[in-house]
Amino acid sequence: GAVVSQHPSWVICKSGTSVKIECRSLDFQATTMFWYRQFPKQSLMLMATSNEGSKATYEQGVEKDKFLINHASLTLSTLTVTSAHPEDSSFYICSARVSGFGNQPQHFGDGTRLSIL
Amino acid sequence: LAKTTQPISMDSYEGQEVNITCSHNNIATNDYITWYQQFPSQGPRFIIQGYKTKVTNEVASLFIPADRKSSTLSLPRVSLSDTAVYYCLRDSSASKIIFGSGTRLSIRP
Repeated sequence: GAVVSQHPSWVICKSGTSVKIECRSLDFQATTMFWYRQFPKQSLMLMATSNEGSKATYEQGVEKDKFLINHASLTLSTLTVTSAHPEDSSFYICSARVSGFGNQPQHFGDGTRLSIL
Repeated sequence: LAKTTQPISMDSYEGQEVNITCSHNNIATNDYITWYQQFPSQGPRFIIQGYKTKVTNEVASLFIPADRKSSTLSLPRVSLSDTAVYYCLRDSSASKIIFGSGTRLSIRP
């Protein structure tokens, strides 16, 4: 159980293109999802917390107009990288926590490799 | 920030037991300790979680002393496929989690 699915797993596009990444919790509901970015040989960096039915909370230094997050249902959050440029190339990972009592660990998707040419 | 401190890297050999320590001196009452494993180009995979004392599952054991300021992940009889980065995290359902640098574990034949 507790499977998080990301799509696409890999995308290459031209500079200036907007790219949408989907994150789905397949067998549980998640009121909160998280988006991370990871550069080669580095740790995961939290970008934003996605809240179902409300605005996302962005970490300091993350441009909210650049990285649009929508969490329209309890099983789906999307991250749109608008007008992507080569410096946005990275590995984007989402996670979700099972809503319920007690401390539930976060479960992560398998990531999306974004390459901007 | 709720970061933890771990060794940057460790090396071991197949069949050995590997213990990775983690320091979390400022752990909060509501925090659990959660360990994740990450392979290249994949998302982190949940290994084990605990609050105090000892927790064991089919892949690892987690030891947390009474003061909860540190923890140790124990991997019994490692194999080459255990080569990965291991992250120790302070985790509370009420808050976001912040990743530290992790421990890059290399297993040799």
